[in-house]
Amino acid sequence: AQSVSQHNHHVILSEAASLELGCNYSYGGTVNLFWYVQYPGQHLQLLLKYFSGDPLVKGIKGFEAEFIKSKFSFNLRKPSVQWSDTAEYFCAVNADNTGKLIFGQGTTLQVKP
Amino acid sequence: DAGITQSPRHKVTETGTPVTLRCHQTENHRYMYWYRQDPGHGLRLIHYSYGVKDTDKGEVSDGYSVSRSKTEDFLLTLESATSSQTSVYFCAIRTGTVHSPLHFGNGTRLTVT
Repeated sequence: AQSVSQHNHHVILSEAASLELGCNYSYGGTVNLFWYVQYPGQHLQLLLKYFSGDPLVKGIKGFEAEFIKSKFSFNLRKPSVQWSDTAEYFCAVNADNTGKLIFGQGTTLQVKP
Repeated sequence: DAGITQSPRHKVTETGTPVTLRCHQTENHRYMYWYRQDPGHGLRLIHYSYGVKDTDKGEVSDGYSVSRSKTEDFLLTLESATSSQTSVYFCAIRTGTVHSPLHFGNGTRLTVT
């Protein structure tokens, strides 16, 4: 079965620090990959997505992610985090034609001002 | 905003009682999904629908049933609620092709006492 693993469960950073959140998936075929963000008390919002083409994907709010097929990874990065980036981040994969997403466990990011 | 409304937003119920959660969309999209969100588990798919009266199970479907008698409404029913079903429930829709991301509603926080 497909699975998604996020290695960091809780990350604490100071403002202006760089961020990298790990995401690995288990499916060996063609995949579509997503990162979602959930601010406290809110629903999930799409940060960025990868379908094909350039493996470096840029999203909203200065986030980017790199798809490395050989490593089955899709890590999320941001060069300089802000206090407002405090949220929970979810990696997800879509590997069949039902559109359903398989999510990782989530990473809670706390940014200290 | 993908026009998704979940109701109720909050509910407290007792063990053994039936509970129905509603997801309503305004844009006639074919695919709809129910997820539950629990700490340490991310989001897990309960059921999904690919059209009126067409539904299928997700990874955590035990104890849940769904119905879709109209395109715009997707109902999730807990026939006899248990404490393990205390969770936040999110409805999602797919607005485009099979590669499209999902758009999520605001969630229903259900507490089973």
